[in-house]
Amino acid sequence: DAGITQSPRHKVTETGTPVTLRCHQTENHRYMYWYRQDPGHGLRLIHYSYGVKDTDKGEVSDGYSVSRSKTEDFLLTLESATSSQTSVYFCAISKSQENTEAFFGQGTRLTVV
Amino acid sequence: KQEVTQIPAALSVPEGENLVLNCSFTDSAIYNLQWFRQDPGKGLTSLLLIQSSQREQTSGRLNASLDKSSGRSTLYIAASQPGDSATYLCAVNAGNMLTFGGGTRLMVKP
Repeated sequence: DAGITQSPRHKVTETGTPVTLRCHQTENHRYMYWYRQDPGHGLRLIHYSYGVKDTDKGEVSDGYSVSRSKTEDFLLTLESATSSQTSVYFCAISKSQENTEAFFGQGTRLTVV
Repeated sequence: KQEVTQIPAALSVPEGENLVLNCSFTDSAIYNLQWFRQDPGKGLTSLLLIQSSQREQTSGRLNASLDKSSGRSTLYIAASQPGDSATYLCAVNAGNMLTFGGGTRLMVKP
């Protein structure tokens, strides 16, 4: 298995509170991604990073921010959690955008009550 | 906008059958296509990656084909086993993101 660790694995939080999810990789891959998985919508890209301090938005980025201060860590922050952000969040990594496999972490199940 | 469709959405077969899962996509300008397996409550496990210049890839009992011009890929599973029961997802890579299909939920009965 690719060395990807997501933390926490499960979290319950209240509406309006800030939440940070962490993705840590040991593969030294340049690209890191955050996806969310929802019934009826499948997996959708939130944000991605193409290097330290280099990030860009995906298709469902509203309400989320990210940071990448080190190659191995990619943080996803919900500044003020809403019930619509209840989901399973997956981190993924890849060496490049075009020609290489993407590897996924085990996911974080977030419930906003 | 790229759209990816997987048919069927669910499939139940007896053990030992050969089966085909289908994936179609609307924009043929892709770099590659990847097949994943997802077990309930788990992450995605990469099964096969097919580059846009390739026609097929094989790994054990799995064979994936790609027809980029027609926007289709198939995942062939030979001699299915109960341990193959999972959701299978295809994803196309057109640059800065993977676009996923909705998945095929496979159950292989002993």
